[in-house]
Amino acid sequence: GQNIDQPTEMTATEGAIVQINCTYQTSGFNGLFWYQQHAGEAPTFLSYNVLDGLEEKGRFSSFLSRSKGYSYLLLKELQMKDSASYLCAVNRRDDKIIFGKGTRLHILP
Amino acid sequence: KAGVTQTPRYLIKTRGQQVTLSCSPISGHRSVSWYQQTPGQGLQFLFEYFSETQRNKGNFPGRFSGRQFSNSRSEMNVSTLELGDSALYLCASSTTGEKATQYFGPGTRLLVL
Repeated sequence: GQNIDQPTEMTATEGAIVQINCTYQTSGFNGLFWYQQHAGEAPTFLSYNVLDGLEEKGRFSSFLSRSKGYSYLLLKELQMKDSASYLCAVNRRDDKIIFGKGTRLHILP
Repeated sequence: KAGVTQTPRYLIKTRGQQVTLSCSPISGHRSVSWYQQTPGQGLQFLFEYFSETQRNKGNFPGRFSGRQFSNSRSEMNVSTLELGDSALYLCASSTTGEKATQYFGPGTRLLVL
């Protein structure tokens, strides 16, 4: 079977740091994507992790632990424009990409 | 480089009709995937095409079909539309490998009345 879990909603304050977790159980694993999706818009690619460890891209970092079936997206110096849904998606060994339900992040001033 | 384009952007149909949606991937990307997004179910994988061949298929009924042309452009078709088919249909073009990327088009919002 397959299962990708993320918290449904999170709230954080402007300027702070937030960590969005994603756990997965899938049939085979190639890598894990993170996307940002603003309401009414298409998802935007943020990162793709294949190997264990942390990858940093400006204010956003993504971490992967293959043995634990766990990833997180870390957002630093939060800005109001970071209010969006964040989607975790697993790229399975058969190249099928399966999405979690997404985490809606609210940023408070 | 131009992004992924989808046409039409909005569509209203009635039950029983059929619809064809079009997607042009980023130049050089050979893989095109289609997704359905609804508030209740999130993003659900429909199918993926690579070099004109369907490589993967999600758990959707046979009313949903697709194809890819030699220039990598792809179409998806839904026949005998049902009310539950109302959704945002997203196309994504991808590169593969360790530095894989996947870029989405703006989507086609379909309303079935």
